[in-house]
Amino acid sequence: KQEVTQIPAALSVPEGENLVLNCSFTDSAIYNLQWFRQDPGKGLTSLLLIQSSQREQTSGRLNASLDKSSGRSTLYIAASQPGDSATYLCSTDSWGKLQFGAGTQVVVTP
Amino acid sequence: KAGVTQTPRYLIKTRGQQVTLSCSPISGHRSVSWYQQTPGQGLQFLFEYFSETQRNKGNFPGRFSGRQFSNSRSEMNVSTLELGDSALYLCASYLTDRDSTEAFFGQGTRLTVV
Repeated sequence: KQEVTQIPAALSVPEGENLVLNCSFTDSAIYNLQWFRQDPGKGLTSLLLIQSSQREQTSGRLNASLDKSSGRSTLYIAASQPGDSATYLCSTDSWGKLQFGAGTQVVVTP
Repeated sequence: KAGVTQTPRYLIKTRGQQVTLSCSPISGHRSVSWYQQTPGQGLQFLFEYFSETQRNKGNFPGRFSGRQFSNSRSEMNVSTLELGDSALYLCASYLTDRDSTEAFFGQGTRLTVV
């Protein structure tokens, strides 16, 4: 059974600092890994999707890496802004069923 | 291009009642999945539908059921509601089946059982 873990559970940084969010998973037989952002009481917004054959994906200030052999993914957010404050969730996709971590709650202070 | 639409956004029901939630996927998407999100359990998979067929089911009691229509819209039903069913219910749509593809989520339906 896939177990997805996100560390740390919470993170507070001053504006401008780079963010590093970690995700680990136990079963490397995944189709892809996807990072999401969730604002309080809202749905999930897709940030980046990394296919199982890829090592990383980039979109603007966001970069995500994937190392299937070690069961790890890292989301980097450069030059953080207060608007980046949210909960960030990673998920692995195995046959159409997403398995989520508990998320990392991020607060970026002005 | 419209996103995933879930209705209603908020619901308050009494224990023992039943409820139906609706999800309209992105146009052209044929796969729909449902998830329950609670503070204690996080996001948990309920079921997945593709072309009106349920392909995958999570570990939820039989009170939770769903279906998908020919236009890919999906509904989930919860019968005999319990206080513990209070949660944010999220629907995700996918472009294709089984391919490595991106999941897009709706804003969710907040269900409160009193």
